[in-house]
Amino acid sequence: SYELTQPLSVSVALGQTARITCGGNNIGTKNVHWYQQKPGQAPVLVIYRDSNRPSGIPERFSGSNSGNTATLTISRAQAGDEADYYCQVWDSSTGVFGGGTKLTVL
Amino acid sequence: EVQLVESGGGLVQPGGSLRLSCAASGFTFSIYWMSWVRQAPGKGLEWVANIKQDGSEKYYVDSVKGRFTISRDNAKNSLYLQMNSLRAEDTAVYYCASLSSSGWELDYWGQGTLVTVSS
Repeated sequence: SYELTQPLSVSVALGQTARITCGGNNIGTKNVHWYQQKPGQAPVLVIYRDSNRPSGIPERFSGSNSGNTATLTISRAQAGDEADYYCQVWDSSTGVFGGGTKLTVL
Repeated sequence: EVQLVESGGGLVQPGGSLRLSCAASGFTFSIYWMSWVRQAPGKGLEWVANIKQDGSEKYYVDSVKGRFTISRDNAKNSLYLQMNSLRAEDTAVYYCASLSSSGWELDYWGQGTLVTVSS
């Protein structure tokens, strides 16, 4: 079965750039979606199909996907960006989530 | 405004059954694939099941095959998850979510309903 690997945690200084990776075999051939989840809340879609932002998501959020790694980039990180982030793909009509990355803004 | 509201969660004994519901509003429910996603306490997200617009295709994660059944009633704008032979490891918050028609991202989520399997 297909697996996605994310770092458990990433830290970023306030106002700096955070990068969260998502590794998978030839993930560059798949559409990668990213979700943000704050404590006690439902997940929210922040990037879809590798690099697209839903309406209402700040331009500070961007994504890329190539080879074996997809990356979520958060520029000018704010305290409100502290959350868990999950990457997700579809593999033969079944869903696969990464293990999640806890983003801490220092 | 798109709304997905789950209900039906609660405490159930191992081996028992529970039926979750998800009431959809604010969009044309009948033209979207739908999903259930769960999250065990303190753990990450896990996709559980998908169902096609007309119910003709259904997909499940291996750990629930033969025990869970996803279904929908487009006339009632509702999604369901029948859960049988429940195990302690099924304890989780269960979310329903809609899949976009373009890239199959999970674009809208409900607030979740907690299922606790314990004696």
